[in-house]
Amino acid sequence: AQKITQTQPGMFVQEKEAVTLDCTYDTSDQSYGLFWYKQPSSGEMIFLIYQGSYDEQNATEGRYSLNFQKARKSANLVISASQLGDSAMYFCAMREGNTDKLIFGTGTRLQVFP
Amino acid sequence: DAGVIQSPRHEVTEMGQEVTLRCKPISGHNSLFWYRQTMMRGLELLIYFNNNVPIDDSGMPEDRFSAKMPNASFSTLKIQPSEPRDSAVYFCASSFGGGLSQPQHFGDGTRLSIL
Repeated sequence: AQKITQTQPGMFVQEKEAVTLDCTYDTSDQSYGLFWYKQPSSGEMIFLIYQGSYDEQNATEGRYSLNFQKARKSANLVISASQLGDSAMYFCAMREGNTDKLIFGTGTRLQVFP
Repeated sequence: DAGVIQSPRHEVTEMGQEVTLRCKPISGHNSLFWYRQTMMRGLELLIYFNNNVPIDDSGMPEDRFSAKMPNASFSTLKIQPSEPRDSAVYFCASSFGGGLSQPQHFGDGTRLSIL
């Protein structure tokens, strides 16, 4: 079974609008961490935001926020006020508490149009 | 601060040749990871090290692949002999271990093409 599922292969959003990228996960651990990475067309992987399983507040980093719904095992990334430079692949990843390994989803390609 | 440094950025070689990819982690990071990214399989963890010791190499495809970390500031991933199906982008990442919240920081990757 997939541990990280990103069901949206591609998303479009108009500049200045908000967009939500979906991520669901599967783990039986109580302690785990969820990460989002951005991969622009230039290829590098850029860490965006982290949410811990015990965190009561949703994580925020500038225009990025995480809509964390633990009971539903979802950790959706919200990008507010989209910019053209946000066009990229976005990957959700999970680290379970007993390992350093990150398990990545298949990614969502976001296109921001003017 | 310098990030994770990988070399070469691009490598094109003929099948059967030995390929060596290099990685310098961020200073102070004690965990190092090698990933492979392809269209078909996405991002796969090949092997990772803690404090220069290989911890999990279950993702290494086969005996043609080997990785070493002789010291805290250098690691290599070697493919010998290389095959066309090894063509991919190979990423090295490092993190400051010990905390669940510590993100992995990635290098820019090596784009490998085996002809």
